[in-house]
Amino acid sequence: GAGVSQSPRYKVAKRGQDVALRCDPISGHVSLFWYQQALGQGPEFLTYFQNEAQLDKSGLPSDRFFAERPEGSVSTLKIQRTQQEDSAVYLCASSATSGGDIRGDTQYFGPGTRLTVL
Amino acid sequence: AQSVTQPDIHITVSEGASLELRCNYSYGATPYLFWYVQSPGQGLQLLLKYFSGDTLVQGIKGFEAEFKRSQSSFNLRKPSVHWSDAAEYFCAVGAWVTSYDKVIFGPGTSLSVIP
Repeated sequence: GAGVSQSPRYKVAKRGQDVALRCDPISGHVSLFWYQQALGQGPEFLTYFQNEAQLDKSGLPSDRFFAERPEGSVSTLKIQRTQQEDSAVYLCASSATSGGDIRGDTQYFGPGTRLTVL
Repeated sequence: AQSVTQPDIHITVSEGASLELRCNYSYGATPYLFWYVQSPGQGLQLLLKYFSGDTLVQGIKGFEAEFKRSQSSFNLRKPSVHWSDAAEYFCAVGAWVTSYDKVIFGPGTSLSVIP
């Protein structure tokens, strides 16, 4: 596709339910990032993939959060036993390169998934 | 630790007026700096970025930003604002982590434009 897509765009979950959020990055992009954006705040880093390898998961707020990218393209962010504090917009971004001498490679963002936990 | 502050939570300007959005960063090494814009229901879009060289950076949609190392600032400017510029603006710094840039965002400035 032309850009990063995310699905669903909106998700309402009851507290305690598990949810899965999908990200389709730009074709061929090596790097994939997940961010959490609370209402009125800037995006906060959750995790980073380089191809299928999850190189950094330091931003995941608890062990209820799990992300995967098994084939190095589509990624899924899973939240188990959702809590009200998980309500946020979850953003996915991809970039073409993996770093090296390409600093500050442009990250292209999807529209996000707005998760509301009741 | 790396951080970004945007002192203005919300700014209102008249259409046609000039605009300056403030950004201050904290980063020990040479910073890689970005400005992103987020319109309602849209993803973040990169306006411009600074790595090195000329400290005045030109971006899309008529925006520019100036890097001032002595002030740890990277303020965004536009000479004449259009109604379509109403959006949320985020300043960000890229913090190098072994093999990639972890982008750290500021809290954002919400821009309203009065016709």
